[in-house]
Amino acid sequence: EPEVTQTPSHQVTQMGQEVILRCVPISNHLYFYWYRQILGQKVEFLVSFYNNEISEKSEIFDDQFSVERPDGSNFTLKIRSTKLEDSAMYFCASSSGTSPDTQYFGPGTRLTVL
Amino acid sequence: AQKITQTQPGMFVQEKEAVTLDCTYDTSDQSYGLFWYKQPSSGEMIFLIYQGSYDEQNATEGRYSLNFQKARKSANLVISASQLGDSAMYFCAMREGGGGYTGKLIFGQGTTLQVKP
Repeated sequence: EPEVTQTPSHQVTQMGQEVILRCVPISNHLYFYWYRQILGQKVEFLVSFYNNEISEKSEIFDDQFSVERPDGSNFTLKIRSTKLEDSAMYFCASSSGTSPDTQYFGPGTRLTVL
Repeated sequence: AQKITQTQPGMFVQEKEAVTLDCTYDTSDQSYGLFWYKQPSSGEMIFLIYQGSYDEQNATEGRYSLNFQKARKSANLVISASQLGDSAMYFCAMREGGGGYTGKLIFGQGTTLQVKP
């Protein structure tokens, strides 16, 4: 069964460093998303991406964040200068765009900012 | 205001019994979708079941069913014949809007379910 994959599973970085989180969505899906989950809290939407551009972004997704689909398979989230409060689990999700448009999530990348 | 409310932070259920996890939602849209996801201790988010706002029948997927009461704006998840492997965090989520244009999901706070042997 096709699945969303994410690398790395765990990333540790120093405050102020740039990180890139990588995702490979399900191959025939057209819509891509990033969510984050701070430990013990609910899952929060960051950004959605369709047709090579951002469809919607939340207020969390400020200028420090960017997304890219550099090729036909990868979808990346970059955090330019990490802060302590960026420590969270980051989930990538993808959907086909056809009803019911269920979003399938990857296993997540746990980001720890020291 | 919370768009998705899960009022049960934690629940216990005896193995083989049924359990209901509550979810209420708030939207002014006529067209919306409701989803339940399971998050085991390993952390991944597993899709369980979907209910569309126009669906007249309650959704079912194996041991999972969704008790959809539109007038009350509730979408409770029912797990029948609980198994030890059902122990996890469960999230209710809503997508507003008719199609997959943005598809943004709004999540509730989650309910931790523990199944006792």
